[in-house]
Amino acid sequence: DAGVIQSPRHEVTEMGQEVTLRCKPISGHNSLFWYRQTMMRGLELLIYFNNNVPIDDSGMPEDRFSAKMPNASFSTLKIQPSEPRDSAVYFCASSPQGAQGNQPQHFGDGTRLSIL
Amino acid sequence: GDSVTQMEGPVTLSEEAFLTINCTYTATGYPSLFWYVQYPGEGLQLLLKATKADDKGSNKGFEATYRKETTSFHLEKGSVQVSDSAVYFCALKDGTSYGKLTFGQGTILTVHP
Repeated sequence: DAGVIQSPRHEVTEMGQEVTLRCKPISGHNSLFWYRQTMMRGLELLIYFNNNVPIDDSGMPEDRFSAKMPNASFSTLKIQPSEPRDSAVYFCASSPQGAQGNQPQHFGDGTRLSIL
Repeated sequence: GDSVTQMEGPVTLSEEAFLTINCTYTATGYPSLFWYVQYPGEGLQLLLKATKADDKGSNKGFEATYRKETTSFHLEKGSVQVSDSAVYFCALKDGTSYGKLTFGQGTILTVHP
């Protein structure tokens, strides 16, 4: 079975550029989560969706960050303009069942982002 | 709000040593509890889970028991291997948050031959 698919795996770009990270959740999963991981701050939840609707974006650090989920099989996280402090590994995860149930989240392999 | 506290790392052990990584939680209601493992350069993988009090989750020689009276979910393994070197995350999920997980800060484990 295909897991959560993220692209690109690595991204290196100059500050000020727009960065778009992509995620394809596991088919049938109706919750999707975006995380950021750094050595200094650990694993941070940025935003999550349920049935394509954003539920909580309180973890999004600034207005430069935005996320969309136009359909059940695709989500994007966009940074515009990017800054060096945005350098991190960004993970996408998906989960079935939504509010109820005890199913775990399934993580993608992440996008390693470097802003020069 | 919900919170998860893990023991401070890093933890360094010799091969075949006994491992304990402590995890305690604060939550309303009856959360489900999870341990995730992250190997270098990879995403988080579910290691084991427990969904109600006194449940024991187990996988790959690792075990953890859901203790409601002490609000704990400590991870144990009787004999670690070099291949167990990774970062371990304890997490909880309540029943009202669309599957959102609250993670601990992670514990780095290094096992030497």
